[in-house]
Amino acid sequence: NAGVTQTPKFRVLKTGQSMTLLCAQDMNHEYMYWYRQDPGMGLRLIHYSVGEGTTAKGEVPDGYNVSRLKKQNFLLGLESAAPSQTSVYFCASTQAFRGDNTEAFFGQGTRLTVV
Amino acid sequence: GESVGLHLPTLSVQEGDNSIINCAYSNSASDYFIWYKQESGKGPQFIIDIRSNMDKRQGQRVTVLLNKTVKHLSLQIAATQPGDSAVYFCAENIRRSGNTPLVFGKGTRLSVIA
Repeated sequence: NAGVTQTPKFRVLKTGQSMTLLCAQDMNHEYMYWYRQDPGMGLRLIHYSVGEGTTAKGEVPDGYNVSRLKKQNFLLGLESAAPSQTSVYFCASTQAFRGDNTEAFFGQGTRLTVV
Repeated sequence: GESVGLHLPTLSVQEGDNSIINCAYSNSASDYFIWYKQESGKGPQFIIDIRSNMDKRQGQRVTVLLNKTVKHLSLQIAATQPGDSAVYFCAENIRRSGNTPLVFGKGTRLSVIA
């Protein structure tokens, strides 16, 4: 049982380049999330999805786009990467959105460096 | 090395001692709380949760205490072991209403001294 899988694990981009981070979960969870984690900042929510075909903005959505074409996949895109987007990115999924069963299952993270 | 967690509050504890990690939450409407553990190079993992109708919940070697009056949450780890070294996050959520997903605190790094 893989849980939540993120690809790639590491990536170095040049400023202005684009890329897509892929998140896949095999737990049939309805809800998926993308967070970024920076030193001293904890986990900040970028975008989330409450179901296939739906997305919503989180705390820090600027510079990112997402898509949830299939229930098991949640893609995070950077159209024009900036050094400020250097971070560790985590994908997570939950069975529920509020209250009980909101235990989040996280992927291993993607370390992105923009030079 | 892993840069995540740099500049976080740090708690250093001798192996075998008890650890207490504190968290202040912001939303008085939050009624469900979770503690996560994040080891170096890994994603956060669930430790224990508590609902607002409780003030204490115990797990294996861990206890969570909730004080709603001052909006404070703590995680107590008994007989701390080297494997407990990690960054610990609290998260809050609203069970009955609202449209905000789980909100995470900034985290505390626990360093166990052998």
